[in-house]
Amino acid sequence: GAGVSQSPSNKVTEKGKDVELRCDPISGHTALYWYRQSLGQGLEFLIYFQGNSAPDKSGLPSDRFSAERTGGSVSTLTIQRTQQEDSAVYLCASSPEDRPIKPQHFGDGTRLSIL
Amino acid sequence: RKEVEQDPGPFNVPEGATVAFNCTYSNSASQSFFWYRQDCRKEPKLLMSVYSSGNEDGRFTAQLNRASQYISLLIRDSKLSDSATYLCVVRNAGGTSYGKLTFGQGTILTVHP
Repeated sequence: GAGVSQSPSNKVTEKGKDVELRCDPISGHTALYWYRQSLGQGLEFLIYFQGNSAPDKSGLPSDRFSAERTGGSVSTLTIQRTQQEDSAVYLCASSPEDRPIKPQHFGDGTRLSIL
Repeated sequence: RKEVEQDPGPFNVPEGATVAFNCTYSNSASQSFFWYRQDCRKEPKLLMSVYSSGNEDGRFTAQLNRASQYISLLIRDSKLSDSATYLCVVRNAGGTSYGKLTFGQGTILTVHP
């Protein structure tokens, strides 16, 4: 498949554990975005990558959240010492380049549940 | 005030009906506008971009009014398969937030037989 791929699709973990979410963007897409969607809430921007650098981290809710991208491709979002309010669907999107007119393509998301 | 605000809905319409959704945005520097569709427990998918002159894609018509900072989506001849949440999405330009999408809360549409 040529779409954005995210793994795992579902993750259940205990409060206080660390989790790592992975995103494989569409090949050749230089821009990559992480969003999250909590129950009953709209999508919320977390972080944006252009290549391997993250010019906009403004949406990360706390210092427990971090993300990196290597080789201009795969990105991982790490949440340390998870809390129940971290439960949400984490969505990754990519676009060919950072231009206003190019739409973003979303992966299926990772559904994270913190017990 | 939310950056992107939509009709809260839900809209419940019969097949064949015409339905319109409205959306306003607060950032006058916004450059690109989209409607995304999200089915239950699925990822958002691009429905259509919205251009200044207005644009149509089959039964779907999108309009943009920059002066009023208002976007609309019109669906004609509704089908059962149109049932979904419709997300108004705005993309800003410039600065470090270049390309960031800001989503409205979404409007739920249910089309019934």
